[in-house]
Amino acid sequence: GAGVSQSPSNKVTEKGKDVELRCDPISGHTALYWYRQSLGQGLEFLIYFQGNSAPDKSGLPSDRFSAERTGGSVSTLTIQRTQQEDSAVYLCARGFRNGSDYGYTFGSGTRLTVV
Amino acid sequence: RKEVEQDPGPFNVPEGATVAFNCTYSNSASQSFFWYRQDCRKEPKLLMSVYSSGNEDGRFTAQLNRASQYISLLIRDSKLSDSATYLCGAMDSNYQLIWGAGTKLIIKP
Repeated sequence: GAGVSQSPSNKVTEKGKDVELRCDPISGHTALYWYRQSLGQGLEFLIYFQGNSAPDKSGLPSDRFSAERTGGSVSTLTIQRTQQEDSAVYLCARGFRNGSDYGYTFGSGTRLTVV
Repeated sequence: RKEVEQDPGPFNVPEGATVAFNCTYSNSASQSFFWYRQDCRKEPKLLMSVYSSGNEDGRFTAQLNRASQYISLLIRDSKLSDSATYLCGAMDSNYQLIWGAGTKLIIKP
């Protein structure tokens, strides 16, 4: 989506390997969210970054998942020792404010397949 | 009980008909609500935001009922291109959107 770039768009990895997914909220310093969406399911919150505050990691499903955000902009979601149940689309969103309006813009996602 | 609930559907609706679906939320402090549209294998995109009693944009009307804690989405004169999954989100005090699981809509010719 406009304003959020995610890479790679598709990733196939072998079970047990580590993967890194990248999100660049092109508009710079905004709130940034990671979600996971399995086929036919809703959005599963993973982690949230806002400014210099400590990230809200309450949605990370296990300690194999971690994320960082460097310089308040680009974020990397890392999954260690991938499992087949990690297969999903990983979506990144940035929070935007336009006057009194507030909403999210999503990236196009990374489709992760663990084989 | 989930914080934001939606009927997963699918709603099968003939082209040209009017369709409405609801989204209930449990956090009475939520102030802002959103409808997003998600096409198959695509990312969600903002359809409408709802800050007060409602919002209207062409064939689409969103209404908020704070007393009963639900928002609705009404689509008039439905088009084949309206077929999608519609996600409802309620914003909490930390500006985090709490999402429903989505309602699938299928418009049939």
